[in-house]
Amino acid sequence: AQSVTQLDSHVSVSEGTPVLLRCNYSSSVSVYLFWYVQYPNQGLQLLLKYLSGSTLVKGINGFEAEFNKSQTSFHLRKPSVHISDTAEYFCAVTPTSGTYKYIFGTGTRLKVLA
Amino acid sequence: DTEVTQTPKHLVMGMTNKKSLKCEQHMGHRAMYWYKQKAKKPPELMFVYSYEKLSINESVPSRFSPECPNSSLLNLHLHALQPEDSALYLCASSDPTGKRVNSPLHFGNGTRLTVT
Repeated sequence: AQSVTQLDSHVSVSEGTPVLLRCNYSSSVSVYLFWYVQYPNQGLQLLLKYLSGSTLVKGINGFEAEFNKSQTSFHLRKPSVHISDTAEYFCAVTPTSGTYKYIFGTGTRLKVLA
Repeated sequence: DTEVTQTPKHLVMGMTNKKSLKCEQHMGHRAMYWYKQKAKKPPELMFVYSYEKLSINESVPSRFSPECPNSSLLNLHLHALQPEDSALYLCASSDPTGKRVNSPLHFGNGTRLTVT
């Protein structure tokens, strides 16, 4: 079985500062990893994904994440946040072996202050 | 703009009503999903259709009835719901073809359901 832990339920930062959203996972099999963003009253939008290859993954809106297999982490970063980045962020994993089940973390609510 | 379209955006229904939620995608994805999301929680999987056949039913009560009329459409029929069924219902799709079954999920914007 897989599990995903998002270590911070709420993060508040000032506009223009960097942000780190943490995600750790547990799995006995290889997984693919994803970060999704959800703005108010909207569905989830894919920010970035790690399927294979380079462990540093760049996504949309200036976000990037680094896959660390030894630490079973997939932390999300942005060097300089904007007020429009205020949203809920979900980390998710799914086994590489072929399944339709995606395991989501509980989410991190990011608030960017002016 | 999302490539997965859900209608209606909002729905209020009584406990004796019958209604349907609709989802449409034209990305050629052959896997389609229904998720339920309560406030401040992650999405919970309800059903998965793969190649128009029901692949996963996460022990969802029978008052929720999914239907996949073709590869582009997914419906969720609702009957005799309870107030605790009020939530955001999200449709998603993915491309299970090729080497990877687990392509990213593409979500619609959801239907906000209120059961009175």
